[in-house]
Amino acid sequence: DIQMTQSPSTLSASVGDRVTITCRASQSIKSWLAWYQQRPGKAPHLLIYRASVLQSAGPSRFSGSESGTEFNLTISNLQPEDFATYYCQEYSKHRTFGQGTKVEV
Amino acid sequence: EWQLEESGGDLVKPGGSLRLSCAASGFIFSGYNMNWVRQSPGKGLEWVAFITSRSDDIEYSDSVEGRFTIYRDNAENLLYLQMNSLRDDDSAVYYCTTGAGGRVAYFDVWGRGTLVTVSS
Repeated sequence: DIQMTQSPSTLSASVGDRVTITCRASQSIKSWLAWYQQRPGKAPHLLIYRASVLQSAGPSRFSGSESGTEFNLTISNLQPEDFATYYCQEYSKHRTFGQGTKVEV
Repeated sequence: EWQLEESGGDLVKPGGSLRLSCAASGFIFSGYNMNWVRQSPGKGLEWVAFITSRSDDIEYSDSVEGRFTIYRDNAENLLYLQMNSLRDDDSAVYYCTTGAGGRVAYFDVWGRGTLVTVSS
């Protein structure tokens, strides 16, 4: 099975900050990676797919990048509504999620 | 607007059964593959089951294979998950999602979820 490891588990930040979340795959998943945002009490919401493609109507402050089996989600100019938990998900073989990264104040 | 609304979650005893439903609206349901994804505090997000638009291909996670059944009614825009032989570790919020692209895909539209609690 493919393992998806996110870091950090928790990230403390302030409005206006630039933050980066990392997701590492245990084997090659090419660019078959998605990122989701989940606000408290809500369902996950797709942000990015194919590692770097922003979902339509998604804010441009969100961006995705990749290098081998390491993937990054960057939020530039953090906004109050961005304080949430973020998950990566591979869809190369098994649809495995990372364990999540909570972005908090 | 694309919408998915789950229902049917409840408190059930170990070994019991439950059927979840998902009502789709705002898009051509019969044209889309669908999935169930669950989320529990202990195990995080976990994909559970997949069904193609015409129900001609179905797949389950190892953890539910043989106990859960996914099916759909395209005439009524409904997706179902029949859950039998429920265990404590099946307790979770269950989400109905669309699957973007092929068989193994990302999940582009999510419902609000329905809570299943398995406990004696």
